[in-house]
Amino acid sequence: DGGITQSPKYLFRKEGQNVTLSCEQNLNHDAMYWYRQDPGQGLRLIYYSQIVNDFQKGDIAEGYSVSREKKESFPLTVTSAQKNPTAFYLCASSIDQSSNQPQHFGDGTRLSIL
Amino acid sequence: KNEVEQSPQNLTAQEGEFITINCSYSVGISALHWLQQHPGGGIVSLFMLSSGKKKHGRLIATINIQEKHSSLHITASHPRDSAVYICAVTGRYIIQGAQKLVFGQGTRLTINP
Repeated sequence: DGGITQSPKYLFRKEGQNVTLSCEQNLNHDAMYWYRQDPGQGLRLIYYSQIVNDFQKGDIAEGYSVSREKKESFPLTVTSAQKNPTAFYLCASSIDQSSNQPQHFGDGTRLSIL
Repeated sequence: KNEVEQSPQNLTAQEGEFITINCSYSVGISALHWLQQHPGGGIVSLFMLSSGKKKHGRLIATINIQEKHSSLHITASHPRDSAVYICAVTGRYIIQGAQKLVFGQGTRLTINP
């Protein structure tokens, strides 16, 4: 079955370290997204990519970086510049960037600081 | 004020009860989405609607564009319906050609047997 795979499910980071969260999709979707979820808040957009080799900052991009070298993959790096990285991270994709297509979500990665 | 507001934030009910979760938004939209987040964190899209009403099994979603309001109803609720339900909207004006969802904070539903 097609879907989005995020790994790992749980991730621990020491302060000052960069960590990379994986997101892979086999849905043949052009558009991919990264969201951050904090308790009691709605999901917030970190970065999005409409097509391979292109990506744009979302609402809270500071301290994060992404790449889109392959259509299937959209990894997110949480850098040491992100001062409050503890959160739940969700990856999503949609067929294209138009507004009349639903987004498909992965199961998320929970990142904690040691 | 958030662009998308959900109520209630938490809802506990007994099995079999009729459930209503509300969503109000303040921006012009092209579509509204209802999502379900399981206890493990994964999110599933339940409905996408831009007018009227949609039904899938025991779930019904309605939207009133004039009043900028949507409701999600669950009939004959069951413990397996326990989850966080999230409302999200897509703006009428797409940012840089990409769909951008604005999310409500979610409603945590608990159905007791």
